[in-house]
Amino acid sequence: DAKTTQPNSMESNEEEPVHLPCNHSTISGTDYIHWYRQLPSQGPEYVIHGLTSNVNNRMASLAIAEDRKSSTLILHRATLRDAAVYYCILQSNFGNEKLTFGTGTRLTIIP
Amino acid sequence: DAGVTQSPTHLIKTRGQQVTLRCSPISGHKSVSWYQQVLGQGPQFIFQYYEKEERGRGNFPDRFSARQFPNYSSELNVNALLLGDSALYLCASSLTVVMVYGYTFGSGTRLTVV
Repeated sequence: DAKTTQPNSMESNEEEPVHLPCNHSTISGTDYIHWYRQLPSQGPEYVIHGLTSNVNNRMASLAIAEDRKSSTLILHRATLRDAAVYYCILQSNFGNEKLTFGTGTRLTIIP
Repeated sequence: DAGVTQSPTHLIKTRGQQVTLRCSPISGHKSVSWYQQVLGQGPQFIFQYYEKEERGRGNFPDRFSARQFPNYSSELNVNALLLGDSALYLCASSLTVVMVYGYTFGSGTRLTVV
């Protein structure tokens, strides 16, 4: 499985944008980039995914570098409820159904 | 709509015992996966089932087994429990076997082996 690298932790002030980086220099052309987050005492929650183009949904935006070797999850206006561990995961669309989680980025929101 | 339901939520077992964990996927979801999450680490893939057939298996010993029923619910069995099996066991369901649409996880079963 292609590997991702994320900072162990980040802090952000409430109501400000948050940019969570992920490096994936060994990504293949068929790998999708997925982001999940895990709030305390809960299972992981799907956030967003993309292949080549930037993506937006109600939760976040995903900015993918032109060479696809890195991506950034953008929370436009952080709230205290966004405090969680965020995982960046690569997943091939060719029958490899498992998610390979790293240790993720622990995001702390400062009131 | 109900999400992914796991039972029990917490469980304490003794070394050497056997345990069965249960998962009910979202209605209409035919794929169920199991993950183990040890404290401080990301979840690790154990099994995936789709239409009652095993579609993937992670690097876990044969003490771990699972099955999927005709109603798409699933059970994870762990035999001869070890202290190291203490973890949060997560079940995830998806519409199809292809994960592009995203998995929905349950809140997990916290297993403590003493």
